[in-house]
Amino acid sequence: GIQVEQSPPDLILQEGANSTLRCNFSDSVNNLQWFHQNPWGQLINLFYIPSGTKQNGRLSATTVATERYSLLYISSSQTTDSGVYFCACPETSYGKLTFGQGTILTVHP
Amino acid sequence: DAGVTQSPTHLIKTRGQQVTLRCSPKSGHDTVSWYQQALGQGPQFIFQYYEEEERQRGNFPDRFSGHQFPNYSSELNVNALLLGDSALYLCASSFRITNEKLFFGSGTQLSVL
Repeated sequence: GIQVEQSPPDLILQEGANSTLRCNFSDSVNNLQWFHQNPWGQLINLFYIPSGTKQNGRLSATTVATERYSLLYISSSQTTDSGVYFCACPETSYGKLTFGQGTILTVHP
Repeated sequence: DAGVTQSPTHLIKTRGQQVTLRCSPKSGHDTVSWYQQALGQGPQFIFQYYEEEERQRGNFPDRFSGHQFPNYSSELNVNALLLGDSALYLCASSFRITNEKLFFGSGTQLSVL
């Protein structure tokens, strides 16, 4: 099956700092999704991004499908950004997602 | 617009027991997938239901079974519980059995003692 690797595994920031999270995947995919899991376990879909760049407020994501990686940018980080960030890719054409191991982000005030 | 809802939020069982978890998809969605998330790991796909049939299955034993009802809601059943079944069980919904954007519920935290 498809392999999904995320880096770094852990990231500690001061409020206001910027960060970049990376996701590498082993096979061609027709979409990629980024999620944020808050401390209560809720998984929030941040981006559905098969290719190109999308922006949502302080967050943006870029997927380069031909080179099999995606980047998640967080600017001017806030304490509420803390949690675990996952990327996930479909193994089949029908929605079975394979998740990476996640990046644990901690933002200190 | 109600999102994905799961019940119960927490559950404690003992080894050998059986458990049923419930999920109602987001309004307008007709496909439900279940994921298991062990502590410190990413979610792992269990199975997917569409049109009341299991369409895809991950690497989980037959002790894990499910059902989808005509109103698109779904149940996950686990028989003969093992200690290793302790995890957060997440339900996700989407529209049609495609690679559409997934929306997740808050999960059911299952502890097996």
